[in-house]
Amino acid sequence: QQQVKQSPQSLIVQKGGISIINCAYENTAFDYFPWYQQFPGKGPALLIAIRPDVSEKKEGRFTISFNKSAKQFSLHIMDSQPGDSATYFCAASKETSGSRLTFGEGTQLTVNP
Amino acid sequence: SQTIHQWPATLVQPVGSPLSLECTVEGTSNPNLYWYRQAAGRGLQLLFYSVGIGQISSEVPQNLSASRPQDRQFILSSKKLLLSDSGFYLCAWRDRGTQYFGPGTRLTVL
Repeated sequence: QQQVKQSPQSLIVQKGGISIINCAYENTAFDYFPWYQQFPGKGPALLIAIRPDVSEKKEGRFTISFNKSAKQFSLHIMDSQPGDSATYFCAASKETSGSRLTFGEGTQLTVNP
Repeated sequence: SQTIHQWPATLVQPVGSPLSLECTVEGTSNPNLYWYRQAAGRGLQLLFYSVGIGQISSEVPQNLSASRPQDRQFILSSKKLLLSDSGFYLCAWRDRGTQYFGPGTRLTVL
């Protein structure tokens, strides 16, 4: 019940295209869903996060779509750029002190120029 | 503002040697602290987490150990390294729901 399944494992997109990464969770108690971006040799950095009281959150070119009934959430990167090439991790948790994040396995995104 | 430090940035150690990686957090008090390992091209494996001084929870049985001697200090140790201990070690701290990662330590065991 603690799993977060992420797909695809890798994704290649042309510059200017839309990148879409999907995640599904099992634990209905999860109430916090962040996405992290990791460049090679660096620690993951928080990109954007959503809580289940909204179905969508947008920050610049990055949008999280959240479907509570389907227990799924996705990251959309609009107008993808070569600088977006990185590994993306979704995660989920209960937003309480002491609880920990459950991470997806990651998606390696390559944006071709 | 909060800052998380890890050192060393890179480390090459022979099999059977000891290990000590250090993580410190600035600008917050009593944070939840975490150690992760990331193998090349793989996901994040939670190794240990701590909710307070001296309180350590182990997620994966292995030859690594963790300690939290001070509120904002988290140490990862091993008495004898194995080849399989190679990887990218990440420390993280958590503020409510948001988790922040350090820059990581690249460990190569030869």
